[in-house]
Amino acid sequence: SAVISQKPSRDICQRGTSLTIQCQVDSQVTMMFWYRQQPGQSLTLIATANQGSEATYESGFVIDKFPISRPNLTFSTLTVSNMSPEDSSIYLCSVEEGFEAFFGQGTRLTVV
Amino acid sequence: AQSVTQLGSHVSVSEGALVLLRCNYSSSVPPYLFWYVQYPNQGLQLLLKYTTGATLVKGINGFEAEFKKSETSFHLTKPSAHMSDAAEYFCAVMHNNAGNMLTFGGGTRLMVKP
Repeated sequence: SAVISQKPSRDICQRGTSLTIQCQVDSQVTMMFWYRQQPGQSLTLIATANQGSEATYESGFVIDKFPISRPNLTFSTLTVSNMSPEDSSIYLCSVEEGFEAFFGQGTRLTVV
Repeated sequence: AQSVTQLGSHVSVSEGALVLLRCNYSSSVPPYLFWYVQYPNQGLQLLLKYTTGATLVKGINGFEAEFKKSETSFHLTKPSAHMSDAAEYFCAVMHNNAGNMLTFGGGTRLMVKP
């Protein structure tokens, strides 16, 4: 099973700033997924990140707000740009292996 | 398009009582179905999954779920609740024809009373 390390685990940020979240996997994976979990709610897919190509964003999410990098098969970053309090959420990185999804511990972001 | 509905955003049971968390899905293709648990301030942990084969699947911590195609359901059960079962539970369907991403239900918070 894949082991995912995500950092930071939590952060408190000022509005208008940006935060980059890192996701490291202990094996090579084709696709990595980024989810958002708003307070008290379920997980919503932000985008799918393939190595060597542009990320694919879901409806309601745009690259300017959530730029993603995928420089190799074990690493990805998600940036939350120009943050507002509405961006306060848990952000989770995920990979799929053998029809099972594995998740990082999440990054709990609070924007003040 | 796939979707997942979890009936009951909050479920409260007494310790030792039966746990039943409901999940219904819609899918245009045979689904892969999952239950995840999220303890406070933690990530998601897989409880169990159905891909093919036996429709009654057993997971960790005494949980099991049954895939019922005729009812498009995948309800999660545990015969006897324990205080440590208090957590958020998510049902999910995998889009195995679209990059294997997951669509999650809204989640059910399970509370266990002593």
